[in-house]
Amino acid sequence: QKEVEQNSGPLSVPEGAIASLNCTYSDRGSQSFFWYRQYSGKSPELIMFIYSNGDKEDGRFTAQLNKASQYVSLLIRDSQPSDSATYLCAVIITDRGSTLGRLYFGRGTQLTVWP
Amino acid sequence: DGGITQSPKYLFRKEGQNVTLSCEQNLNHDAMYWYRQDPGQGLRLIYYSQIVNDFQKGDIAEGYSVSREKKESFPLTVTSAQKNPTAFYLCASGWHLYGYTFGSGTRLTVV
Repeated sequence: QKEVEQNSGPLSVPEGAIASLNCTYSDRGSQSFFWYRQYSGKSPELIMFIYSNGDKEDGRFTAQLNKASQYVSLLIRDSQPSDSATYLCAVIITDRGSTLGRLYFGRGTQLTVWP
Repeated sequence: DGGITQSPKYLFRKEGQNVTLSCEQNLNHDAMYWYRQDPGQGLRLIYYSQIVNDFQKGDIAEGYSVSREKKESFPLTVTSAQKNPTAFYLCASGWHLYGYTFGSGTRLTVV
């Protein structure tokens, strides 16, 4: 099992709809979770981070974390064509016997928002 | 301005040649990472460092080497042992509580 798994998509939604992106992870000890957006040919940019179970909202973005199910999701409300990008889920995977960890990424979900 | 800088933006390597990619940050971050991204693929971890003078191998460290002599700098050398080095290389720095910032990347091509 890979450390971080995402639906590869592609996901296509109309403008104004809600886009839902999902991610599962293998390390029960993981405490930090991140969502990045990557436009074609560019480097990833951080859009959300979450540590506690439940929802975290920032503008049109909501991150949801369920540690019992080892599941983290990102909702994008009122999707815009400018949201069209690849969305990467990232998780800190703890090193055995250490409090430190390494930052692992899923393969990303490509989102297209059509006008 | 605080940030993370990668150079060069484009790099061409001849067969059998070692090349070094630069990554510098002035964000006072302890943790720094190197990733490789192939077209249509996710980010694969090459090396990471949590503190000066210490670094750990990631999943695809073979053919690569790093050093961390200063907090601000984490250069990556692509050696001749790396048989398929053409890729987009990304450096990141940050903290587990607030996330990680990426540089703009280096595109390496074998000629």
